[in-house]
Amino acid sequence: QQQVKQSPQSLIVQKGGISIINCAYENTAFDYFPWYQQFPGKGPALLIAIRPDVSEKKEGRFTISFNKSAKQFSLHIMDSQPGDSATYFCAASRYTSGTYKYIFGTGTRLKVLA
Amino acid sequence: DAGVTQSPTHLIKTRGQQVTLRCSPKSGHDTVSWYQQALGQGPQFIFQYYEEEERQRGNFPDRFSGHQFPNYSSELNVNALLLGDSALYLCASSGFGEEGANVLTFGAGSRLTVL
Repeated sequence: QQQVKQSPQSLIVQKGGISIINCAYENTAFDYFPWYQQFPGKGPALLIAIRPDVSEKKEGRFTISFNKSAKQFSLHIMDSQPGDSATYFCAASRYTSGTYKYIFGTGTRLKVLA
Repeated sequence: DAGVTQSPTHLIKTRGQQVTLRCSPKSGHDTVSWYQQALGQGPQFIFQYYEEEERQRGNFPDRFSGHQFPNYSSELNVNALLLGDSALYLCASSGFGEEGANVLTFGAGSRLTVL
């Protein structure tokens, strides 16, 4: 119930292509779903996030699609660039026992070929 | 606006030793969480501090302990180090961002190698 399953583990995309990373959760108490981007030697940085009352959120080339009934959400990177090469983590958060708890996916290593 | 700062960035210890990692949260944040990130894995929650008290704890042994100071900075202590403790240790502070969401902001991490 506390897991967030992320796929694929790794992804190779040509420059200009679309990168798609998927996540699934089980606990319907989660109410905030962020995506983090992590470059080697750096900490994860918040990329984009969505609430379950919205089916899609777009920020520049990055879009989250959210399917509440399927308990799935995905990150789409349009016009992928070599600079997007990084590891991406999905996460799910909920308020419990007086604080916010985050569960992270296992990560997707994205490589965008020039 | 300074983000989350962690020190040291890298350190090497031997089995059985003890280590202390430090974290200063982002300005305006009063809650600090610590995560362990093994190579090729996602961050695993260790514990969270708020108002100088441990509020939540993940599935980590008592060898992992922490502290939060009145200025909201925090320390992570690991005793009796094992080889398996080698990882990137991430500190994250949290505060409310857009849409009222509680947002985690991570530091760059402290890379611990146990030999």
